[in-house]
Amino acid sequence: AQSVSQHNHHVILSEAASLELGCNYSYGGTVNLFWYVQYPGQHLQLLLKYFSGDPLVKGIKGFEAEFIKSKFSFNLRKPSVQWSDTAEYFCAVHTGGFKTIFGAGTRLFVKA
Amino acid sequence: NAGVTQTPKFRVLKTGQSMTLLCAQDMNHEYMYWYRQDPGMGLRLIHYSVGEGTTAKGEVPDGYNVSRLKKQNFLLGLESAAPSQTSVYFCASSTTRNTEAFFGQGTRLTVV
Repeated sequence: AQSVSQHNHHVILSEAASLELGCNYSYGGTVNLFWYVQYPGQHLQLLLKYFSGDPLVKGIKGFEAEFIKSKFSFNLRKPSVQWSDTAEYFCAVHTGGFKTIFGAGTRLFVKA
Repeated sequence: NAGVTQTPKFRVLKTGQSMTLLCAQDMNHEYMYWYRQDPGMGLRLIHYSVGEGTTAKGEVPDGYNVSRLKKQNFLLGLESAAPSQTSVYFCASSTTRNTEAFFGQGTRLTVV
């Protein structure tokens, strides 16, 4: 079955630490890939997306993600996190039709 | 710039009661979706609509009904609420089926 795995459910970092959140999916066809973020008390919003082209995509607020097709991965990175990055992060994979599969989410807490 | 608005934001129901969640978008999007978010499970698609007057089942449609009488509104109904429907419900809309989705702030529903 198609699925999206986010490796860490909870991550705690200190400010200025580097971040990498893992996302792997199981689907052999063409995919569109997304990372969404949900700040406390707010709605989900798009961080970045990959449809085609350069596998390294840059999003808002200094986030970037790299699509590695051979590894079925789309990991999210940020070189230096801030307290304001505290949020829940969701990886999502569109596999065709109306099928967008969301990962379970990773809760990030950044200590000031 | 309201985007996607959901009402109500919170609700407590007794088992067997009915209710309707309202989603309104002002972006003229054709596609609208209802998801539920449960701990450790990410977002799962309940129903979706590809345009005014159309609806279709998603991944977990049982116990829910929907209607899209107007393009800007997408209603989710629970005819006879069950404790298993305790969840956070998100409405979303998009221009096409594989582009980014814009989400509402969510409705936290508790069924006792």
